[in-house]
Amino acid sequence: DSGVTQTPKHLITATGQRVTLRCSPRSGDLSVYWYQQSLDQGLQFLIHYYNGEERAKGNILERFSAQQFPDLHSELNLSSLELGDSALYFCASSARTGRYTEAFFGQGTRLTVV
Amino acid sequence: SQQGEEDPQALSIQEGENATMNCSYKTSINNLQWYRQNSGRGLVHLILIRSNEREKHSGRLRVTLDTSKKSSSLLITASRAADTASYFCATDSNTGNQFYFGTGTSLTVIP
Repeated sequence: DSGVTQTPKHLITATGQRVTLRCSPRSGDLSVYWYQQSLDQGLQFLIHYYNGEERAKGNILERFSAQQFPDLHSELNLSSLELGDSALYFCASSARTGRYTEAFFGQGTRLTVV
Repeated sequence: SQQGEEDPQALSIQEGENATMNCSYKTSINNLQWYRQNSGRGLVHLILIRSNEREKHSGRLRVTLDTSKKSSSLLITASRAADTASYFCATDSNTGNQFYFGTGTSLTVIP
């Protein structure tokens, strides 16, 4: 158990809908990262927050947004869902940012868009 | 892209044999991490090696790093059926604000 908690574990929804994925980082970790894993794209970095502030943005679509709250949990919002958004979404946390930072991953949320 | 590439893409060995996976990357790094992923599950952190380190051990795992060749290898000794999984390397960005994952090696250990 990495200590990173993601909910829900599975989500099935229809095209056009909006969903929210939740991540609770390990106790004391300030950094949260979101990744998308699909069969054809591998693990793609979406976004990184550190202590409530956005630090880096990757291949995140405009339909997707995220935030990190004062209690350090994070949410990833996916809207106007398309079939191609079906994937595993992972959250990772680390104690800090910068060099030599180990990142620990949650079990992921499997999103299926039908 | 900084994304690394693992080689081979798939590896099948008998239980008890050693398994070696390689990772190549494109730009300079601060550290490189190896992760294991069982089918459809989360990524488990295995080991981090810093750019100024050449070799690191953890149990049955041995990781090497050659920054001049921009490559790393993961050796699993005395493999077990439970080692069956996909293995990924991840490199960090200059700022450490994101990690770039390779395409993974799928390891099958046959009992």
